[in-house]
Amino acid sequence: EAGVAQSPRYKIIEKRQSVAFWCNPISGHATLYWYQQILGQGPKLLIQFQNNGVVDDSQLPKDRFSAERLKGVDSTLKIQPAKLEDSAVYLCASSLGAGRLYFGAGTRLSVL
Amino acid sequence: GEDVEQSLFLSVREGDSSVINCTYTDSSSTYLYWYKQEPGAGLQLLTYIFSNMDMKQDQRLTVLLNKKDKHLSLRIADTQTGDSAIYFCAESIDGGSQGNLIFGKGTKLSVKP
Repeated sequence: EAGVAQSPRYKIIEKRQSVAFWCNPISGHATLYWYQQILGQGPKLLIQFQNNGVVDDSQLPKDRFSAERLKGVDSTLKIQPAKLEDSAVYLCASSLGAGRLYFGAGTRLSVL
Repeated sequence: GEDVEQSLFLSVREGDSSVINCTYTDSSSTYLYWYKQEPGAGLQLLTYIFSNMDMKQDQRLTVLLNKKDKHLSLRIADTQTGDSAIYFCAESIDGGSQGNLIFGKGTKLSVKP
């Protein structure tokens, strides 16, 4: 069974630039999550989708972050414009439910 | 608000047992989880325990839950160098139905040969 795929693995941008991350969840997993993991911290939920609807985006900084999950499968997370404090690993996860999340390897973002 | 606390580092010798401890705050958490993160990789679910259980054993892993003290521990028997990683404790804050998890900062386990 293929795992959660994310791309790119690494991205370096300058502050105020835009960046987008892509995620393809495990086939059949209806729930998709984007987490932000700052160095030395545990992951923090940014947004959760159930199929193509948003379940929870209460911790998403909506002035600069946006996410979509068209057709209930792939998802993209965008940051526009990026700030220095956005430097982190962005993890995508999917699940069938009940907190048993399967994580991708993440995208490491460095904002200079 | 919800918070999950873990010690940051643990060092053991190969073959010894490792015990990683965690405290959580949300008494309504239905499930509690242990995830493992190896360098450059995403998190991998190791095990989880339902809140009405005291203990769960899965091969070399034993999870103990003290609901009164809101204390969770993960014991790894016969620790191997391949167990070196960061271990995250997590609680579900929505009864476990939606998978919204609060993670601790992680405990870095170092296993010396």
